[in-house]
Amino acid sequence: DAGVTQSPTHLIKTRGQQVTLRCSPKSGHDTVSWYQQALGQGPQFIFQYYEEEERQRGNFPDRFSGHQFPNYSSELNVNALLLGDSALYLCASSNDREYTDTQYFGPGTRLTVL
Amino acid sequence: AQKVTQAQTEISVVEKEDVTLDCVYETRDTTYYLFWYKQPPSGELVFLIRRNSFDEQNEISGRYSWNFQKSTSSFNFTITASQVVDSAVYFCALSDGTGNQFYFGTGTSLTVIP
Repeated sequence: DAGVTQSPTHLIKTRGQQVTLRCSPKSGHDTVSWYQQALGQGPQFIFQYYEEEERQRGNFPDRFSGHQFPNYSSELNVNALLLGDSALYLCASSNDREYTDTQYFGPGTRLTVL
Repeated sequence: AQKVTQAQTEISVVEKEDVTLDCVYETRDTTYYLFWYKQPPSGELVFLIRRNSFDEQNEISGRYSWNFQKSTSSFNFTITASQVVDSAVYFCALSDGTGNQFYFGTGTSLTVIP
């Protein structure tokens, strides 16, 4: 049973560039959430996708956008990168059919913005 | 507003000692869920336990136990006879009744010294 997978593992970008991160949910899961975890901090909720639509969003600017595909996989896009966007980006999946299901996390993508 | 506080930033114990990680939460919801996750150096958040607001029974799983007290809005986590493999950052998290968004504390870094 494959868990949540994310790619790439590490990424280095420069300010102003754009980046796309990818996530495949755990088998049987249909909901994907994205989190940003700065060094020494807890994960901060970015948004959640269900049925290919953004269902809920945290306090992040419009530079952060996402997409969910029919196979439930998801992408996180960040435009006009800032130094402060350097963080570990975590994807979590869950099953919407199970009310308030537990979110299972992937290994994350470490983004460094220079 | 939802908030999770983990006042202990870092804890060090000697192997085989017991250790308790504190978690205090704030919410106005009557239905909510509490979680503990473990984050080893690899970065992936590992799910440990979920508890809903209507179930105040304490739970024990092997060397792990959890104490949920609504009267003090606390959900503490105890590791008995700690082992070096327990060294990690532990996060307490809170979700509302929808379960769509998780609110994480800042984490407690536990080091178990052999």
